Amino acid sequence: QVQLVESGGGLVKPGGSLRLSCEVSGFTFSDYHMNWIRQAPGKGLEWLSYISSSGRIIYYADSVKGRFTISRDNAQNSLYLQMNSLRAEDTAVYYCARDGRWSGAFDIWGQGTMVTVSS
Amino acid sequence: DVVMTQSPLSLPVTLGQPASISCRSSQSLVHSDGNTYLNWFQQRPGQSPRRLIYQISNRDSGVPDRFSGSGSGTDFTLKISRVEAEDVGVYYCMQGTHWPRTFGQGTKVEIK
Repeated sequence: QVQLVESGGGLVKPGGSLRLSCEVSGFTFSDYHMNWIRQAPGKGLEWLSYISSSGRIIYYADSVKGRFTISRDNAQNSLYLQMNSLRAEDTAVYYCARDGRWSGAFDIWGQGTMVTVSS
Repeated sequence: DVVMTQSPLSLPVTLGQPASISCRSSQSLVHSDGNTYLNWFQQRPGQSPRRLIYQISNRDSGVPDRFSGSGSGTDFTLKISRVEAEDVGVYYCMQGTHWPRTFGQGTKVEIK
């Protein structure tokens, strides 16, 4: 079945870096655009970044532009989020989410991975 | 950025009774391609979000038909015809017409 599995979360100090991964299965990854979305503890959802199926088109939210980098490896069925210069306010559960081919944004979500930025 | 404003933020409902959530956008969500990219998501306690409705009124696969979406332009509504216990959670609207994609603040549905 269609599945997205995030990994790479953990505890990191302010100013540190972390790389999140999202491994997908059950569909042809190279056909789909992908996203990262986060949710701070007890808060709502915040879209962070989008990458097209080919990887040629990328968008970021202003809150992470210049610090986070989205990428993908279609041969490895994997999506990545490189997070640098982390701040306490980046503490959140990070989800990867697929865009449906015809139906649009966020039709399938992963289970999330927790990132805690604290000294 | 397009601001999505939901109301109410908290919605206590009686089992078997209807519920309605409003979502308003700060600008029109009609895309240049003619479609309106307004989606609704459900997040049950302790779970990842799940999409219920896309492009205003289309139910995703497996979504019960007691959920329905309507609206146009800047004004949208999610309705639950008869609330069941499994509907408890937070509901979010989200627009995909303009970059950046933005979510509403969420509406917490609980049983009275």
